[in-house]
Amino acid sequence: DIQMTQSPSSLSASVGDRVTITCRASQSINNFLNWYQQTPGKAPKLLIYAASSLQSGVPSRFSGSGSRTDFTLTITSLQPEDVAAYYCQQTYSPPLTFGGGTKVEIK
Amino acid sequence: EVQVLESGGGLVQPGGSLRLSCAASGFTFSNYAMSWVRQAPGKGLEWVSTISGSGASTYYADSVKGRFTISRDNSKNTLYLQMSSLRAEDTALYYCAKQPSGVFLYNWFDPWGQGTPVTVSS
Repeated sequence: DIQMTQSPSSLSASVGDRVTITCRASQSINNFLNWYQQTPGKAPKLLIYAASSLQSGVPSRFSGSGSRTDFTLTITSLQPEDVAAYYCQQTYSPPLTFGGGTKVEIK
Repeated sequence: EVQVLESGGGLVQPGGSLRLSCAASGFTFSNYAMSWVRQAPGKGLEWVSTISGSGASTYYADSVKGRFTISRDNSKNTLYLQMSSLRAEDTALYYCAKQPSGVFLYNWFDPWGQGTPVTVSS
């Protein structure tokens, strides 16, 4: 199975800060990496697919990059509504696996 | 609007069975693979199962293989998850999600339903 390791597991940042979350795969997954946002009490929502493609309707302050084993989700200017848990997911090889999640809070 | 809506969750005793449903609308259901993902209380996301658009191919996590069965009725635009031999560790919120094509790999989940809770306890 491909293990997905996210870091950090949690972070606290100020409004307007640049936030970076990393996701590392235990083997190459090409660019078959997705990012989801889960706000408290809600279902996950797709933010980024295929490593760097922004899902329609998602604010442009979110971006994704990376390939093979190392990937990054960046929020260029953190907003209060971005308080959430963020998960990466690989769909390159079964079983599909998610990272452990990163909780983002406002300082 | 593309929507998926789960139902059928509840409280069940260990060893019992339960069938979850996911009603889809706003898209041609038979063209798209569908998946179940679960989230135990306070924990992260765990992929459970996927079925191809035609229903001919199914895939399972090892943790549920042999106990859960995914199926779909394309005439009713509905996805199912039949769960049997349930264990305490199956307690979770179960989400269904649409994939952007009819195949299993190399894609993503969008949208997700609001989830249906399953509690396995005596």
